[in-house]
Amino acid sequence: GQNIDQPTEMTATEGAIVQINCTYQTSGFNGLFWYQQHAGEAPTFLSYNVLDGLEEKGRFSSFLSRSKGYSYLLLKELQMKDSASYLCAVQDSNYQLIWGAGTKLIIKP
Amino acid sequence: IAGITQAPTSQILAAGRRMTLRCTQDMRHNAMYWYRQDLGLGLRLIHYSNTAGTTGKGEVPDGYSVSRANTDDFPLTLASAVPSQTSVYFCASSDGVAGGPDEQFFGPGTRLTVL
Repeated sequence: GQNIDQPTEMTATEGAIVQINCTYQTSGFNGLFWYQQHAGEAPTFLSYNVLDGLEEKGRFSSFLSRSKGYSYLLLKELQMKDSASYLCAVQDSNYQLIWGAGTKLIIKP
Repeated sequence: IAGITQAPTSQILAAGRRMTLRCTQDMRHNAMYWYRQDLGLGLRLIHYSNTAGTTGKGEVPDGYSVSRANTDDFPLTLASAVPSQTSVYFCASSDGVAGGPDEQFFGPGTRLTVL
């Protein structure tokens, strides 16, 4: 079966760095996405990885290892507005997105 | 209209009633999707459409139907609502071009309660 695993909840301090991990087992792989979802709102796109390595976009970076079925999202210089759920999703062989349950990130002052 | 819209924002429905959730996009995207999101579970795909005139079943299609008469609209119908269909429903759209990052854009969601 297809499976995406991420921690349910994480807590971090304002100004710090946090890493949110995602492991996956899917039928085929055509890229991995990270989305951000604030409470009561729609998910919004953060990043996309299809090749191994690190993609950096401002305070956010995303890493992929296809051989390990593993990705992480790295958030630097955390701000209170980063409090949200972070969703990992893998595009399978049919180009459908398979979603993890999301990681709720709580930022404390 | 800017982006993707959904209606209604929220709805309380009696079990057994028929309900249509509306979704409209103005980005001329080929592909559209309906998801449900439940606490502790990831987004689950109900139905999708790769282009106007075609639809497909997702992971949890039972009890739901869709149509795609044109590029912009993708309504989701619950023929006879049951309490287990209580959820937040998101419509999304994307270019639908294979071989690259096919970013999905989401509507604001419809919160549906079936009693």
